[in-house]
Amino acid sequence: AQSVTQPDIHITVSEGASLELRCNYSYGATPYLFWYVQSPGQGLQLLLKYFSGDTLVQGIKGFEAEFKRSQSSFNLRKPSVHWSDAAEYFCAVGKSGNTPLVFGKGTRLSVIA
Amino acid sequence: NAGVTQTPKFQVLKTGQSMTLQCAQDMNHEYMSWYRQDPGMGLRLIHYSVGAGITDQGEVPNGYNVSRSTTEDFPLRLLSAAPSQTSVYFCASSPRTGASNQPQHFGDGTRLSIL
Repeated sequence: AQSVTQPDIHITVSEGASLELRCNYSYGATPYLFWYVQSPGQGLQLLLKYFSGDTLVQGIKGFEAEFKRSQSSFNLRKPSVHWSDAAEYFCAVGKSGNTPLVFGKGTRLSVIA
Repeated sequence: NAGVTQTPKFQVLKTGQSMTLQCAQDMNHEYMSWYRQDPGMGLRLIHYSVGAGITDQGEVPNGYNVSRSTTEDFPLRLLSAAPSQTSVYFCASSPRTGASNQPQHFGDGTRLSIL
């Protein structure tokens, strides 16, 4: 069975500081990995995805993520956080790119001046 | 294209009432799914469908029914609402054939409160 762990429930960073959100997955085969962002009261927006190939993937809004098979991780990074990045972030894993997903419980990001 | 459309956006029910949450997509996607989102729990899969006439249970199916009579629509039915079903519900769709790298498109959600 697939599972996703996001160890950090809530993270606070200063505007302009770098960000790393952690994600660990459990899946026996090659995982399809996703990061979604959700602003308060809104739906989910896909930030980036990893299916195969280069383990460093670029997404929208300046985010990137690195797939590390040996660590079963898919951490999300951004070099300089903007106040508008405050939101909840979800990591998810699927059996393929288009099948239903298993989500982590989310990490809420707060950005302070 | 409208994408994935969920109606209603908000709904308040009394315990024991029944209700159908609507989900429609205009992208001719074969796969459709229903998730519920609860604070601190992320999104959990309720039911999904790989095509018209085919449905299967997800992680938390109890208390919900689905059917898929057309490719476009995938309604979620609560036959007897319970306070534990207070949640935000998301519908998603994705193509099947020849597009395994096409991730799910999500609707904007339905906020449901059961009193």
